[in-house]
Amino acid sequence: DAGVTQSPTHLIKTRGQQVTLRCSPKSGHDTVSWYQQALGQGPQFIFQYYEEEERQRGNFPDRFSGHQFPNYSSELNVNALLLGDSALYLCASSLVSRTDTQYFGPGTRLTVL
Amino acid sequence: QKEVEQDPGPLSVPEGAIVSLNCTYSNSAFQYFMWYRQYSRKGPELLMYTYSSGNKEDGRFTAQVDKSSKYISLFIRDSQPSDSATYLCAMSGDSGGYQKVTFGTGTKLQVIP
Repeated sequence: DAGVTQSPTHLIKTRGQQVTLRCSPKSGHDTVSWYQQALGQGPQFIFQYYEEEERQRGNFPDRFSGHQFPNYSSELNVNALLLGDSALYLCASSLVSRTDTQYFGPGTRLTVL
Repeated sequence: QKEVEQDPGPLSVPEGAIVSLNCTYSNSAFQYFMWYRQYSRKGPELLMYTYSSGNKEDGRFTAQVDKSSKYISLFIRDSQPSDSATYLCAMSGDSGGYQKVTFGTGTKLQVIP
């Protein structure tokens, strides 16, 4: 049973560029949440998708957007990259209403130069 | 004031010691309490989750929740070098079925052989 997978593993971009990160949830899960984890910090909630709609959003600007596909996989898009967007981006999957049992992917490390 | 406070450590203990990790929180709406373990450059791994107050034991790990004091703990008995990692507490409440999870900053633990 494959767990949560994310791609790419690492990414280097320059300021002002746009980036798309991808996530495939654990088999049987229908809800995907995205988190940003800066070095030495805990994960910060970006947003959560269920039934292809954004259901919850954290305190992140509109430059951060997402999408969920009918197969439950998800994308995170970040526009107009800033240096401060450099972080580990984590995807977590769960069943709806069971975010007490989220399972995380290995993350995508984004570096903005 | 952050919703979830966690001492970042680092915490160094000898092998075999009992480790106590703690978090405090301010949001009384939190009902679900989780502990994650994160190895360097990896995604968080769910260790334990509890609902409301009380204790939960799983092998060498015991999670405690005291909602009256807004205080949660994770105890690790007979600690091993392989337990060396960052431990993250996380919490969520029920908001119409879609839950936003809030993490602490993580406590870095080192178990010395």
